[in-house]
Amino acid sequence: AQSVTQLDSQVPVFEEAPVELRCNYSSSVSVYLFWYVQYPNQGLQLLLKYLSGSTLVKGINGFEAEFNKSQTSFHLRKPSVHISDTAEYFCAVSRIQGAQKLVFGQGTRLTINP
Amino acid sequence: ETGVTQTPRHLVMGMTNKKSLKCEQHLGHNAMYWYKQSAKKPLELMFVYNFKEQTENNSVPSRFSPECPNSSHLFLHLHTLQPEDSALYLCASSQDELGATNEKLFFGSGTQLSVL
Repeated sequence: AQSVTQLDSQVPVFEEAPVELRCNYSSSVSVYLFWYVQYPNQGLQLLLKYLSGSTLVKGINGFEAEFNKSQTSFHLRKPSVHISDTAEYFCAVSRIQGAQKLVFGQGTRLTINP
Repeated sequence: ETGVTQTPRHLVMGMTNKKSLKCEQHLGHNAMYWYKQSAKKPLELMFVYNFKEQTENNSVPSRFSPECPNSSHLFLHLHTLQPEDSALYLCASSQDELGATNEKLFFGSGTQLSVL
């Protein structure tokens, strides 16, 4: 089975500061990796995904994530955040082979302070 | 707007009530999902339907009863719920059941359910 751990439940940062949201996963098989974002009062939207190839993945709104297989991590980064980035961010994994359901982490609430 | 619409947005019900949540997708997708989002817990997959057939029931109590009359509509019928069932219920769809194509999920805005 797969599991996802998001180490920080809340991350407050100042506007224009860099941010990193941490995600570690556990799986005995190869996986695909995802970050979803949930803005207030909305459903989840796909931010970016890693399927194969370059370990640095770029997504929407200036976010990027790096897949590190040896550390089983997929941390999300943005060099300079904006007030509009205030949201909850979810890391998720799915198996590449066999039953392929998304397993989500608990989420990290990113709060941007002016 | 993701193309997945959920109604109602908010619902308050007593433990003896019967209510239904509705989800409609206008994306031509074949797979639909119900997720439960509780505070401080990971999103929990409840049910999966692919081409109107239920392909997954994630050990959900029988007080939650899904219905998928066609590929565009998904319902969640609720009866004799408990206060711990209060949560945000999210509907999602994808082109096909998540698999080799690894289609992304399109989520609705959810129904915030409060059970008194």
